[in-house]
Amino acid sequence: QQQVKQSPQSLIVQKGGISIINCAYENTAFDYFPWYQQFPGKGPALLIAIRPDVSEKKEGRFTISFNKSAKQFSLHIMDSQPGDSATYFCAASKRNQGGKLIFGQGTELSVKP
Amino acid sequence: KAGVTQTPRYLIKTRGQQVTLSCSPISGHRSVSWYQQTPGQGLQFLFEYFSETQRNKGNFPGRFSGRQFSNSRSEMNVSTLELGDSALYLCASSLGGGQGPLETQYFGPGTRLLVL
Repeated sequence: QQQVKQSPQSLIVQKGGISIINCAYENTAFDYFPWYQQFPGKGPALLIAIRPDVSEKKEGRFTISFNKSAKQFSLHIMDSQPGDSATYFCAASKRNQGGKLIFGQGTELSVKP
Repeated sequence: KAGVTQTPRYLIKTRGQQVTLSCSPISGHRSVSWYQQTPGQGLQFLFEYFSETQRNKGNFPGRFSGRQFSNSRSEMNVSTLELGDSALYLCASSLGGGQGPLETQYFGPGTRLLVL
């Protein structure tokens, strides 16, 4: 079964702290792993994505760490800000199914001032 | 460049009715995917259309169908609505030029459907 498991379900972090969200997948055919950010009343927006041939990717305060052998990947948000408060989804897709994203259950992040 | 637009934004229907939702992709995008978002099941893939053809399909019953027009606009239809169909229906578009999963999917704001 194609599945992506995400944890934690919710996360509270102080301003300036590091937010860490973890995902695990089962299907080794997945080869694209994006993270999406969703604010209330909006559709998800791509934050950062990684391919399995790379162990880490950083864009500004956001970093994806990827462990192919463990079939796990995580999102790190450095210097978390109240404006980062949103729901974060990890996802995965296969090379021949580019338009089909399999999403994790989501993590509701709250950054306290 | 205008983003993905979805109409209507909100919809209330009763059980047994059918509904049609519309999605206009970003100009130049040829792939349109549909997702259902609920608190319990999260974001689930419904189907993807590319050049008027269904390219991928999720695990939803046949009551859920879609189509794509020559201008890449897409519609999805749900027949014989059930209470459990209440959800946010999201549409996403991408270039769809055969680049596979490396393409970014851009999501619309969604249509919130309530079935009474």
